[in-house]
Amino acid sequence: AQKITQTQPGMFVQEKEAVTLDCTYDTSDPSYGLFWYKQPSSGEMIFLIYQGSYDQQNATEGRYSLNFQKARKSANLVISASQLGDSAMYFCAMREENYGQNFVFGPGTRLSVLP
Amino acid sequence: DSGVTQTPKHLITATGQRVTLRCSPRSGDLSVYWYQQSLDQGLQFLIQYYNGEERAKGNILERFSAQQFPDLHSELNLSSLELGDSALYFCASSVDFGDTEAFFGQGTRLTVV
Repeated sequence: AQKITQTQPGMFVQEKEAVTLDCTYDTSDPSYGLFWYKQPSSGEMIFLIYQGSYDQQNATEGRYSLNFQKARKSANLVISASQLGDSAMYFCAMREENYGQNFVFGPGTRLSVLP
Repeated sequence: DSGVTQTPKHLITATGQRVTLRCSPRSGDLSVYWYQQSLDQGLQFLIQYYNGEERAKGNILERFSAQQFPDLHSELNLSSLELGDSALYFCASSVDFGDTEAFFGQGTRLTVV
């Protein structure tokens, strides 16, 4: 079974609007971390935001916030006030304590911000 | 700049050849991960080293091998290259032992012709 599911292969959003990128995960490990990375067309992987499984509050980093719903096993990324430079691939990833702390990535969502 | 350095940035080689990709982790990071990103397979975990020792193995072919040296830099060796090995190879590093993020290098784009 897929450990990380991102059901939106592509998304469009108008500049200055907010957008939510979906991510669901599957784990039986009580301790894990959830991450979002951005990959622009230049290819580098840029860390955006992190949520620990024991964190009570949703993580926020500037315009990025993570909507963590533990019971539903979802970790959606919310980007507020989209900018043209946000156009990129976005990957959700998970790191499980009992699996060597290895990162498992979802298939990604391609976000296009329209002017 | 993530602080993770990968060389070379681009590599073009012929089938059957052998190449070595190099990664220098961020200062203080003991853990190094290697990933392969291809169009059809997405981001695939290959192998992880922690402080010089292999820690976890993913979908790494027998033709591929890696090591982490005492100075913590790592090398990924790819041999008997096939067309299907063409991909972007990422190295990432992290502090490890904790829920911490991994920082990625800019990748090495390997093209096998």
